[in-house]
Amino acid sequence: QSVLTQPPSVSAAPGQKVTISCSGTSSNSFVSWYQVFPGAAPKLLIYDNHKRPSGIPDRFSGSKSGSSATLDITGLQTGDGAVYYCGTWHRSLTFYVFGTGTEVTVL
Amino acid sequence: QVQLVASGGGLVKPGGSLRLSCAASGFSVTDYDMSWIRQAPGKGLEWVAWIGSSDPSTHYADSVKGRFTISWDSADNSLYLQLNSLRAEDSALYYCAREYSGNFEYWGQGTLVTVSS
Repeated sequence: QSVLTQPPSVSAAPGQKVTISCSGTSSNSFVSWYQVFPGAAPKLLIYDNHKRPSGIPDRFSGSKSGSSATLDITGLQTGDGAVYYCGTWHRSLTFYVFGTGTEVTVL
Repeated sequence: QVQLVASGGGLVKPGGSLRLSCAASGFSVTDYDMSWIRQAPGKGLEWVAWIGSSDPSTHYADSVKGRFTISWDSADNSLYLQLNSLRAEDSALYYCAREYSGNFEYWGQGTLVTVSS
């Protein structure tokens, strides 16, 4: 089954911005983003390409264009150091695909 | 308050079986689509199985099709994953998750499955 491609890692200093790409999505699919800290359950960060669940700060924003989606984290904080995964349902709606994951390092 | 508590993991030999449970509280498992998702040590997230609300239709990842079975029980408000014919590559932390509109909005804490002789 298909896999969504993400950069293995990105890094920036506190206060800066990082951008994580997710390629391989269907043009008419909705993409979600999940934040995973070591030893903790994943957390929904962005859904329907750009929407934030209640409690997620607006420093996190998502977008999608064609077959690629993007997660931006602005005003980077030390607590943002985690692995981030994109995900989407395959157009057949019979299986879900996660991205390869991107480790964010706050320098 | 929505809560998912996964259990049932453990050490099992290749070819063996396990039954994972996910006890739900704060909602009825039959009212939502539910999934199992796993993460092998040092690897990324991998969706494993899905069950629809009320129906219940099911879908599986190719890697587990024919070996794993997802189900739920309204009587004890729990989600289950029966794992048969286990292989070393099935070793992972298994999460249960509640889905809403295609998104995994609530996750359990995970239960660890280790397949080794």
